[in-house]
Amino acid sequence: GQQLNQSPQSMFIQEGEDVSMNCTSSSIFNTWLWYKQDPGEGPVLLIALYKAGELTSNGRLTAQFGITRKDSFLNISASIPSDVGIYFCAGQGGATNKLIFGTGTLLAVQP
Amino acid sequence: NAGVTQTPKFQVLKTGQSMTLQCAQDMNHEYMSWYRQDPGMGLRLIHYSVGAGITDQGEVPNGYNVSRSTTEDFPLRLLSAAPSQTSVYFCASSLSHNEQFFGPGTRLTVL
Repeated sequence: GQQLNQSPQSMFIQEGEDVSMNCTSSSIFNTWLWYKQDPGEGPVLLIALYKAGELTSNGRLTAQFGITRKDSFLNISASIPSDVGIYFCAGQGGATNKLIFGTGTLLAVQP
Repeated sequence: NAGVTQTPKFQVLKTGQSMTLQCAQDMNHEYMSWYRQDPGMGLRLIHYSVGAGITDQGEVPNGYNVSRSTTEDFPLRLLSAAPSQTSVYFCASSLSHNEQFFGPGTRLTVL
């Protein structure tokens, strides 16, 4: 099935560093979502984007809807230990118009 | 609001056994869906429903049945469990089919 290309697969950083991750698709999407999953829990919605070029922040998190509508980016500034988890992008649109998830970015933050 | 609840949290089955994974939401959301999460595969859509009495297949529907008799409940049935169905199962609900709220998951092992 169709999946988004999410990178990097994993990141191991020091507390205080900034983090960047992205998702790309061969299809144009109308919506981009970013989720975080803590160990043993379900994904939690962080940011929703609905317009090409849109830049939205949620605390230390900032996400952008790419101008081409085929990509999206998530930045985390000044990382802290509780940022640890798996971050998923999800896009809606394309041929099926269903929500499609990326394979996730595992973030580890060393104090 | 309890949000999206799932039971059981853990389950072990033998090959060939059947069971039902329960999902309920108290947010009056029309859209509900079931995903499975496997390592390196992200979240894959099994079945979804856009309202009571209406269900449709997702990306990986084989071996699973669903029904939606009420707005609140969306059970997932495994007809004859197979080891390939060992996974973590997430139920989600939303007002539309993009900003989905996830339950805590059911961890299923099929021996």
